Amino acid sequence: NAGVTQTPKFQVLKTGQSMTLQCAQDMNHEYMSWYRQDPGMGLRLIHYSVGAGITDQGEVPNGYNVSRSTTEDFPLRLLSAAPSQTSVYFCASSYSGTDTYGYTFGSGTRLTVV
Amino acid sequence: AQSVAQPEDQVNVAEGNPLTVKCTYSVSGNPYLFWYVQYPNRGLQFLLKYITGDNLVKGSYGFEAEFNKSQTSFHLKKPSALVSDSALYFCAVREQTGANNLFFGTGTRLTVIP
Repeated sequence: NAGVTQTPKFQVLKTGQSMTLQCAQDMNHEYMSWYRQDPGMGLRLIHYSVGAGITDQGEVPNGYNVSRSTTEDFPLRLLSAAPSQTSVYFCASSYSGTDTYGYTFGSGTRLTVV
Repeated sequence: AQSVAQPEDQVNVAEGNPLTVKCTYSVSGNPYLFWYVQYPNRGLQFLLKYITGDNLVKGSYGFEAEFNKSQTSFHLKKPSALVSDSALYFCAVREQTGANNLFFGTGTRLTVIP
């Protein structure tokens, strides 16, 4: 089925470890983004991309890196995990930077940093 | 700067009664407004959007929302609540110009009581 696929669904990291959260979409969407969801804080934008080779920072980019080498993939890298990065991470995509279709979300990655 | 306020963390309503989930927004220009729903351990699902035109917008599962420019509000409504409507609801806003970055409220948990 077409949509946004996130892997893994669950992950436990030790403080200081690095890892990559994967996000892939098969809808030929130009726009992709990463959010984190924390209780009482809603969803906050980490990084976004308006097309292959173009990325930019959102509200809470510190401690995270992204790249967009293809239209389909938008991985999120945690460089040195900290307990404050314990959260649920969602990847989202939409057609373009000017469309009005809203987002398609992945099912999320629940990350715990101990 | 863009922002969204959902003043109620929790809304309880009896099955069959009408429900309202409140949302107010702040943007510097004209807004695009969205409602999303999140069921447990799932990603967000699109419910409806306001882009332009009629202030009353109809969406999925019998939900509707009314755009009120003077009150900068976009409240979600349903005439008759179902137990299956119990979920977490997010209001989101973006400006009509610029990058396609949605700003989300903190969410309202709706519980429909049988």
